[in-house]
Amino acid sequence: AQKVTQAQTEISVVEKEDVTLDCVYETRDTTYYLFWYKQPPSGELVFLIRRNSFDEQNEISGRYSWNFQKSTSSFNFTITASQVVDSAVYFCALSESSSGTYKYIFGTGTRLKVLA
Amino acid sequence: ETGVTQSPTHLIKTRGQQVTLRCSSQSGHNTVSWYQQALGQGPQFIFQYYREEENGRGNFPPRFSGLQFPNYSSELNVNALELDDSALYLCASSRGGTGELNEKLFFGSGTQLSVL
Repeated sequence: AQKVTQAQTEISVVEKEDVTLDCVYETRDTTYYLFWYKQPPSGELVFLIRRNSFDEQNEISGRYSWNFQKSTSSFNFTITASQVVDSAVYFCALSESSSGTYKYIFGTGTRLKVLA
Repeated sequence: ETGVTQSPTHLIKTRGQQVTLRCSSQSGHNTVSWYQQALGQGPQFIFQYYREEENGRGNFPPRFSGLQFPNYSSELNVNALELDDSALYLCASSRGGTGELNEKLFFGSGTQLSVL
């Protein structure tokens, strides 16, 4: 069965610190996509990054970077030089397709608090 | 371009009642998905609509039903409300049709439903 685990329930950091959010996934599919979304207090989930199962190259986009390792089924997300506005709940998600329908399997989220 | 909008933002119902939640998809998007997010949990897939037809369903009972209209807006209906239905209901729209694993979802801010 598809599953996404975010073991960190809540993390608190001081502004300008780097923070890494962990994500471990389970899937039997050979083709899949992984996502990170941010949910601020307003409620809507905001897309951050996306990575497919065939591309393990890690990248940096502004203050965001990610580390995808298929060998350990992990897709960790790092925010560099955190800011108070980064405070939100962060969700890791796995995209699966069954019977022609694609859907996301979300983790339980990690609440990030960035203190000034 | 307008984003995904949901109404109402908050709703209070009593057990046994029926509720209708509404969603307007982002301009240019023809697929709508609904997710239920219980407190402290990640969103759970309810169902998806593409071209006015249900295109896939998660592990939710038949009393959860939906519609999609020609303008791609959508409704989620829940009959015989139960206390456990209390949650944030999120609507997400996307461009693609079916089976697009890499499809990025655009979420609304959700409807917070409380069942007393």
